[in-house]
Amino acid sequence: GQQLNQSPQSMFIQEGEDVSMNCTSSSIFNTWLWYKQDPGEGPVLLIALYKAGELTSNGRLTAQFGITRKDSFLNISASIPSDVGIYFCAGLNYGGSQGNLIFGKGTKLSVKP
Amino acid sequence: NAGVTQTPKFRVLKTGQSMTLLCAQDMNHEYMYWYRQDPGMGLRLIHYSVGEGTTAKGEVPDGYNVSRLKKQNFLLGLESAAPSQTSVYFCASSSRGGAGYTFGSGTRLTVV
Repeated sequence: GQQLNQSPQSMFIQEGEDVSMNCTSSSIFNTWLWYKQDPGEGPVLLIALYKAGELTSNGRLTAQFGITRKDSFLNISASIPSDVGIYFCAGLNYGGSQGNLIFGKGTKLSVKP
Repeated sequence: NAGVTQTPKFRVLKTGQSMTLLCAQDMNHEYMYWYRQDPGMGLRLIHYSVGEGTTAKGEVPDGYNVSRLKKQNFLLGLESAAPSQTSVYFCASSSRGGAGYTFGSGTRLTVV
């Protein structure tokens, strides 16, 4: 089946730093989404991307839909402590046998000790 | 607006016991999903439903059954719980063709 490779698996951030993470796939998607999960909660949608090449921002977050439709990137600028959590990428293909999201395994953001 | 509500939030089962997890959504969404989340594995789809009375298998359906008798409810059943089913279970819903899934806050299940 389709799989998403998300990297890095984890990273430590210091307040004020910029953060980047990405997701790649061997197959193309029509839609890319980025979710954030806080401890003890379900994932919450951050950004949705619907077109190859699309660049979309949501506050300090910026995500891009790769031109090849096989990848996506999420950047967080000037990180703050509440950015900690797990970030998931997800891909969706309409019209497939399963009209459901394929999730990456997540990138865990923690604060540098 | 409650969104997606999951009950219970926590449960401990003995091996071989059965239970049902309930998911309710008040957004009139057509599609509903059950995922399990395990450390380092991300979210894996168990079963899903594209409408009342219909269900389909996801990536990891074995050991689970589901029912969608009412549009707003999606039930996940474990007939004979096994320790391998210890996990956090998330329900989600979306509108027809919608990409933005709304997730519940999860059910943490431990099977001993």
